[in-house]
Amino acid sequence: SQKIEQNSEALNIQEGKTATLTCNYTNYSPAYLQWYRQDPGRGPVFLLLIRENEKEKRKERLKVTFDTTLKQSLFHITASQPADSATYLCALDVYNYGQNFVFGPGTRLSVLP
Amino acid sequence: GAVVSQHPSWVICKSGTSVKIECRSLDFQATTMFWYRQFPKQSLMLMATSNEGSKATYEQGVEKDKFLINHASLTLSTLTVTSAHPEDSSFYICSVSLTRGAGYEQYFGPGTRLTVT
Repeated sequence: SQKIEQNSEALNIQEGKTATLTCNYTNYSPAYLQWYRQDPGRGPVFLLLIRENEKEKRKERLKVTFDTTLKQSLFHITASQPADSATYLCALDVYNYGQNFVFGPGTRLSVLP
Repeated sequence: GAVVSQHPSWVICKSGTSVKIECRSLDFQATTMFWYRQFPKQSLMLMATSNEGSKATYEQGVEKDKFLINHASLTLSTLTVTSAHPEDSSFYICSVSLTRGAGYEQYFGPGTRLTVT
């Protein structure tokens, strides 16, 4: 069956450290994968997109990797800050033309001061 | 990106009544909008794809007669929850999808919290 999993429901890290979140999928072949941030009671906010032929993508303190062999994406936040505390969702465009996105369950990140 | 608004941000209604939720694309003409539902501590579940000028496409298991979608213009889609019941209480979020060349990015509204008593 098709499945998207994110490594843990919740992750606590100390301020200044690097947070690493994992997204694994089975029985999908997405052309690209996305990461979103969601704050409580709000809609998700787009962060990064990485294509299947890209190994790594960076944006400021964020870095995403995509391994289509392992069917896994890693999302890193370096020099984490309490303001980074939120739920992070990965998403696959399962039909590869922007018409059907499937979201992972999310990881709730807490950055402790 | 795109700016998407929703109205109302929250609504409480009695069981058996109907509720309409509006989704507006403020700076982008969207031929397609998406409606999601999110239960507490769960991820987003796509309910339907709203197509301007034509019928919506519903995901498996979503009752089209219960969740009426109307996409009357390029900037407005509405979701009407008919004969609402307590199990319909959820967070409803709409989105538009933009292509940036590399792929599609979704921009979400702020969501509508529906509570059915």
